[in-house]
Amino acid sequence: QKEVEQNSGPLSVPEGAIASLNCTYSDRGSQSFFWYRQYSGKSPELIMSIYSNGDKEDGRFTAQLNKASQYVSLLIRDSQPSDSATYLCAVNLATGGFKTIFGAGTRLFVKA
Amino acid sequence: DTEVTQTPKHLVMGMTNKKSLKCEQHMGHRAMYWYKQKAKKPPELMFVYSYEKLSINESVPSRFSPECPNSSLLNLHLHALQPEDSALYLCASSQVRGAYNEQFFGPGTRLTVL
Repeated sequence: QKEVEQNSGPLSVPEGAIASLNCTYSDRGSQSFFWYRQYSGKSPELIMSIYSNGDKEDGRFTAQLNKASQYVSLLIRDSQPSDSATYLCAVNLATGGFKTIFGAGTRLFVKA
Repeated sequence: DTEVTQTPKHLVMGMTNKKSLKCEQHMGHRAMYWYKQKAKKPPELMFVYSYEKLSINESVPSRFSPECPNSSLLNLHLHALQPEDSALYLCASSQVRGAYNEQFFGPGTRLTVL
């Protein structure tokens, strides 16, 4: 079983719609969870971090965490063509805060 | 603008060459990381330095040799690489906050081994 799993996509949504990206993880003791955006040919950019169960909102982005279900999601409201990128879910393992495992990423396309 | 810088942006080297990748951060972070990323794959952790000491080595071949001269600088020395080592090499840094280390990435060095 992979430690961090994401649907590889591509996920295609029309401009202005809500994009929903999902991630599951296997290490039940994990405490910190991150979403990175990576444009083609560029490095990952941190867009959200979440540590507690529930929702965390930042602008058009909302991260949701459910530790009991080992599930993290990212909602992007009012999606824009500039949101088209690969979104990486990352989890810090319970064994130590430095070891971060990335999911394979979900490719998002926002159609104008 | 990213506060983690990496040089060079691109590097082409032969299998017998010795080269170094450099990373610098100006955020006062005390943890620095090297990742390797192949095309259409996620970043894979290679090394972590915490307070200038090697904290994690993910069983990386000895042809990759990390060095952390001070809290702002991180180097990756390369020697006798193989073509399959061609990849994007990413440096990241974070505060040291237990389980809550948000990592910030530099732009990467795209390495091609001929």
